Amino acid sequence: DAGVIQSPRHEVTEMGQEVTLRCKLISGHNSLFWYRQTMMRGLELLIYFNNNVPIDDSGMPEDRFSAKMPNASFSTLKIQPSEPRDSAVYFCASSLYRSDQPQHFGDGTRLSIL
Amino acid sequence: KNEVEQSPQNLTAQEGEFITINCSYSVGISALHWLQQHPGGGIVSLFMLSSGKKKHGRLIATINIQEKHSSLHITASHPRDSAVYICAVTQGAQKLVFGQGTRLTINP
Repeated sequence: DAGVIQSPRHEVTEMGQEVTLRCKLISGHNSLFWYRQTMMRGLELLIYFNNNVPIDDSGMPEDRFSAKMPNASFSTLKIQPSEPRDSAVYFCASSLYRSDQPQHFGDGTRLSIL
Repeated sequence: KNEVEQSPQNLTAQEGEFITINCSYSVGISALHWLQQHPGGGIVSLFMLSSGKKKHGRLIATINIQEKHSSLHITASHPRDSAVYICAVTQGAQKLVFGQGTRLTINP
């Protein structure tokens, strides 16, 4: 079975540009999580969805960040406009909507904003 | 003070040694996770536990709910075990809060 699929794997762009990160959930999973990993702050939850509905977006740093689930198997995380401090590795993870189920992580997108 | 604290931050050992990584947390949790991240790689869930002990191959995870403490043990360590090990706790139904990670290096 395919795992969580993230694209692109690497993105380098100039500040001010719009960045779109994509994530495909594992088939049958109905919870989706976006995380950011930096050297300074480690892993942080940005936002998560259950059944396509955002549940907790308290980790989204600013209005420049937005996340959507246009359908049950796909999500996007957009940054507009991007800034150098947004440079990080962004992971998405999916799981079944049950507290006893582990999360399955994608391979991450390494984002560099110049 | 972080809600999830790991120790040590870095650990270097020789192949074959018994490894212990510790995790303490200060909040109420519904589960605790141990994750593994290889350099430049993705994140793999090793264990999810809410009580007692779990074992998978050479890896053992324990949790003491009363003391708010968990340990990850690796027996007969091998260079391929070199990775960052991350402790995370589930707050509420699904929200994960992470420790800073322990970088483990096993030398041949």
